[in-house]
Amino acid sequence: SQQGEEDPQALSIQEGENATMNCSYKTSINNLQWYRQNSGRGLVHLILIRSNEREKHSGRLRVTLDTSKKSSSLLITASRAADTASYFCATLDGANSKLTFGKGITLSVRP
Amino acid sequence: DAEITQSPRHKITETGRQVTLACHQTWNHNNMFWYRQDLGHGLRLIHYSYGVQDTNKGEVSDGYSVSRSNTEDLPLTLESAASSQTSVYFCASSYNSNQPQHFGDGTRLSIL
Repeated sequence: SQQGEEDPQALSIQEGENATMNCSYKTSINNLQWYRQNSGRGLVHLILIRSNEREKHSGRLRVTLDTSKKSSSLLITASRAADTASYFCATLDGANSKLTFGKGITLSVRP
Repeated sequence: DAEITQSPRHKITETGRQVTLACHQTWNHNNMFWYRQDLGHGLRLIHYSYGVQDTNKGEVSDGYSVSRSNTEDLPLTLESAASSQTSVYFCASSYNSNQPQHFGDGTRLSIL
């Protein structure tokens, strides 16, 4: 069963703009992770935020977590054509230590 | 550099055949996972292992089996391939449940 649900399903922006992707989940979590998948490749881990953290940064990435709303957002600043990929949120269930992935967001960055 | 490799990258087979997909990791991770990725479903967990001789069923385990005889390898076997098992299969590993997973580049399996 799907835990994380990403929104929007697809996003198209111009190079240089910021991209914001959202993820909502249903049950309590241990941590929430964001992954990127380039076409024809495996998923690559981007950033992990623990349930007791509210915000985390890594380079041009900023992730927020609101456990009261059971939601997270991934912000990519100053996007580049190379950021074109699918992005997945994944939640680590607090009860059974299982990582559950959402269906993903397709991001297209136009040069 | 440590890595996780899957083979083959592409395979075409017929219904009813037994198929084994290989996964090999050099991270020395205890945890290994098999997922399938289908349009509209995202990634779904098939089987996973927390160490040698340990295997567990995931969300969509029917028709699949795994074995863990050493730390590095977790082969996935389709006992009798069905067309519904046409998919892209990903193997992943992690140090423990709280750490991120490292993924292979997948095996695209077509069952005709």
